[in-house]
Amino acid sequence: GEDVEQSLFLSVREGDSSVINCTYTDSSSTYLYWYKQEPGAGLQLLTYIFSNMDMKQDQRLTVLLNKKDKHLSLRIADTQTGDSAIYFCAETGAGKSTFGDGTTLTVKP
Amino acid sequence: EAGVVQSPRYKIIEKKQPVAFWCNPISGHNTLYWYRQNLGQGPELLIRYENEEAVDDSQLPKDRFSAERLKGVDSTLKIQPAELGDSAVYLCASSFASFPRSSYEQYFGPGTRLTVT
Repeated sequence: GEDVEQSLFLSVREGDSSVINCTYTDSSSTYLYWYKQEPGAGLQLLTYIFSNMDMKQDQRLTVLLNKKDKHLSLRIADTQTGDSAIYFCAETGAGKSTFGDGTTLTVKP
Repeated sequence: EAGVVQSPRYKIIEKKQPVAFWCNPISGHNTLYWYRQNLGQGPELLIRYENEEAVDDSQLPKDRFSAERLKGVDSTLKIQPAELGDSAVYLCASSFASFPRSSYEQYFGPGTRLTVT
């Protein structure tokens, strides 16, 4: 079946950029997403990209998609302590979504 | 605008007991999802509804799990009987799907944390 892989942990200093990476296997994915989950909460949609796009920028967030390599990344500029959370990559094909296991981002002051 | 509402937020039960979870999606959202999230993992789809119809329930353990979405609005997910391995967070999400193409942006509720002892 479809699979989404992410590295488990990332630690950065406040003010630095964070880059979270994700790979997926489903070549029929139409949309790819980044969600954020804080302790005790559900997932919050951060941004998404359509599969025919290479890049999408939204304020401090930049999403890059390499469809050939099935690689997605999320760059957070000027990372703040409030960005500390678990970030999930997800892909959707024909309405069905598959999520990665999340990357825990720790931002050190 | 209210987000996705779930209740209860926490539930502790003994194994073999029944349990039910309730979800009220965002108004106007025609698609509703139930996910199970185990500790340290991403959400796994249990069932997806488009209006009243369950269009994907392939991952729902039908021997013990059941779900319904009467009138295409709120939904309940039931487990009977519960097993120790059912301990997890149960997430409900909703989206608005338009055809022939939709971005399927999902909005999640806070989840119900189930502990089976």
